[in-house]
Amino acid sequence: IVLTQSPATLSLSPGDRATLSCEASRSVSGSFLAWYQQKPGLAPRLLIYDASSRATGIPDRFSGSGSGTDFTLTISRLEPEDFAVYYCQQYGSSPRTFGQGTKLEIK
Amino acid sequence: QVQLQESGPGLVKPSGTLSLTCAVSGGSISSGNWWSWVRQPPGKGLEWIGEIYHSGSPNYNPSLKSRVTISVDKSNNQFSLRLSSVTAADTAVYFCARVRFGNWFDPWGQGTQVTVSS
Repeated sequence: IVLTQSPATLSLSPGDRATLSCEASRSVSGSFLAWYQQKPGLAPRLLIYDASSRATGIPDRFSGSGSGTDFTLTISRLEPEDFAVYYCQQYGSSPRTFGQGTKLEIK
Repeated sequence: QVQLQESGPGLVKPSGTLSLTCAVSGGSISSGNWWSWVRQPPGKGLEWIGEIYHSGSPNYNPSLKSRVTISVDKSNNQFSLRLSSVTAADTAVYFCARVRFGNWFDPWGQGTQVTVSS
């Protein structure tokens, strides 16, 4: 399954609402989709699994939604530490695949 | 809590074999999880390489399957990656990760840079 993330780059200000999209080339079974945050020089960090479940310790300003081929990560009110690259990943079909990433940058 | 740490040579010659180890601490590698390798070429996205269960049943990305071997060393609580016939295209940061409930990756190791160059 090919995952296409949009936009490639999103320029917003702290306090704004961010909406990141992940479109699958075919339906992701069981809504088996995760979102990760990656900052420069660091490993990815799990944010969301099963499309909408927040990982342990993740603030509630992060939320995930969607099913089938269309998924969304929403950050309700951006904090300075949220500016990073975000990846979606599907685990409904083998091989596991990632999207190409969305860079969230400060406007 | 479980922590992972990659180790291995940072420089590999073209046509050679890349070998990395991921040490698992804070938990047993035989705890019923899958264990995986993911890589990230410079400035690019993430690519799943493959995974292994503690009993030694690996799954590989078809795009790399002919060159990849992942194995488990239960006595040392670690797992390993071997990638043969490397080229410059294999230059990347290599991460190991636990595959939680056989699905998502958490946690990740800090990653190790591997450069393929003569």
